[in-house]
Amino acid sequence: NAGVTQTPKFQVLKTGQSMTLQCAQDMNHEYMSWYRQDPGMGLRLIHYSVGAGITDQGEVPNGYNVSRSTTEDFPLRLLSAAPSQTSVYFCASSYSRFGTDTQYFGPGTRLTVL
Amino acid sequence: AQSVSQHNHHVILSEAASLELGCNYSYGGTVNLFWYVQYPGQHLQLLLKYFSGDPLVKGIKGFEAEFIKSKFSFNLRKPSVQWSDTAEYFCAVNAKSNYQLIWGAGTKLIIKP
Repeated sequence: NAGVTQTPKFQVLKTGQSMTLQCAQDMNHEYMSWYRQDPGMGLRLIHYSVGAGITDQGEVPNGYNVSRSTTEDFPLRLLSAAPSQTSVYFCASSYSRFGTDTQYFGPGTRLTVL
Repeated sequence: AQSVSQHNHHVILSEAASLELGCNYSYGGTVNLFWYVQYPGQHLQLLLKYFSGDPLVKGIKGFEAEFIKSKFSFNLRKPSVQWSDTAEYFCAVNAKSNYQLIWGAGTKLIIKP
């Protein structure tokens, strides 16, 4: 099993550009989520999904869109990149949405917006 | 709103020293508690978790954590650290009524050989 994979590993964007961060998992997990990690702060939840076709906003959703057309994939779209979106982005999945489940993380995408 | 506080952002220890990393949370209800670790160049992974039962939980690589409900704390301990424990450690909490994890800012641990 590859676990949770993310692409790209690094990305530099100019302000106003759009892009999609890819996330895939091969564990048949129901729950998937996107976090951002900024220096001196914990991970903050951007969006999450409890199954194919179901998504919801987390703590910091503005400027990001998600969709979940399959169980495996959960892409994160930046609509119009801003310097405030410079961050490290992590995708995670777990078997269910119940709070006791272990989350499995991807390697992260380091995004810089100039 | 829930929050999680990790007391130390950076900790430097020598090999064989004892380790205790603090974690406090603010939430009055029943919680699930986690410690995750990110070794250099690796994915975040679960170290240990508590959701019920014995408040002293044991995790991988000799780590343990104790849930003290009256202090809203879930401190991570290891009696004797190794150079390979160099990593960033994150405490996370969710309320049993809400599956969204709230994360601490992390503690970077450096072990000097």
